[in-house]
Amino acid sequence: IAGITQAPTSQILAAGRRMTLRCTQDMRHNAMYWYRQDLGLGLRLIHYSNTAGTTGKGEVPDGYSVSRANTDDFPLTLASAVPSQTSVYFCASRRAGGSDTQYFGPGTRLTVL
Amino acid sequence: SQQGEEDPQALSIQEGENATMNCSYKTSINNLQWYRQNSGRGLVHLILIRSNEREKHSGRLRVTLDTSKKSSSLLITASRAADTASYFCATDTEEGAQKLVFGQGTRLTINP
Repeated sequence: IAGITQAPTSQILAAGRRMTLRCTQDMRHNAMYWYRQDLGLGLRLIHYSNTAGTTGKGEVPDGYSVSRANTDDFPLTLASAVPSQTSVYFCASRRAGGSDTQYFGPGTRLTVL
Repeated sequence: SQQGEEDPQALSIQEGENATMNCSYKTSINNLQWYRQNSGRGLVHLILIRSNEREKHSGRLRVTLDTSKKSSSLLITASRAADTASYFCATDTEEGAQKLVFGQGTRLTINP
């Protein structure tokens, strides 16, 4: 693989179910990010991680959790999905200390019914 | 809350014309970045301008930054049909963490 991969590509989920969105990068980037994109609102940061073992809250963290056990993986978990979490979710990474460019994955389209 | 406000929300021009998109923001920034998103795809970084810079070029792209007005503009010259996409500005307000705050985007359509 090259760059950032996300899985699944899309998912329909019943409200109240638990769901983990996966994100893997092979660029050895230190920093990783999760965003959600809703129509008319642009991207909003959910959680981020500056390096393996650390995480931080973004603009809209409620209802989501993340972990960063290693450099490559940054899963996003919805403990009990609600319809307002219907969105397109993007994972991104950045090589901390170098370029400020963030590299984005292809996204996961999540529908919560 | 959104840091960036983009204007216009949608822009439709003829191929070969220049396209200008504007972004305004609310708080002090370290840098401002422009990204492009093709329909159904992730974002791709276009250009970054730091708070102490006023203008930057990259190929057919020209970005300006006016920190006194808290605004930036992205100019795409000699537009092509392949430039059709949504364009987002993003501001970085915190040294180190780079927690970008995105605007709502401008949907650009280039008509052949």
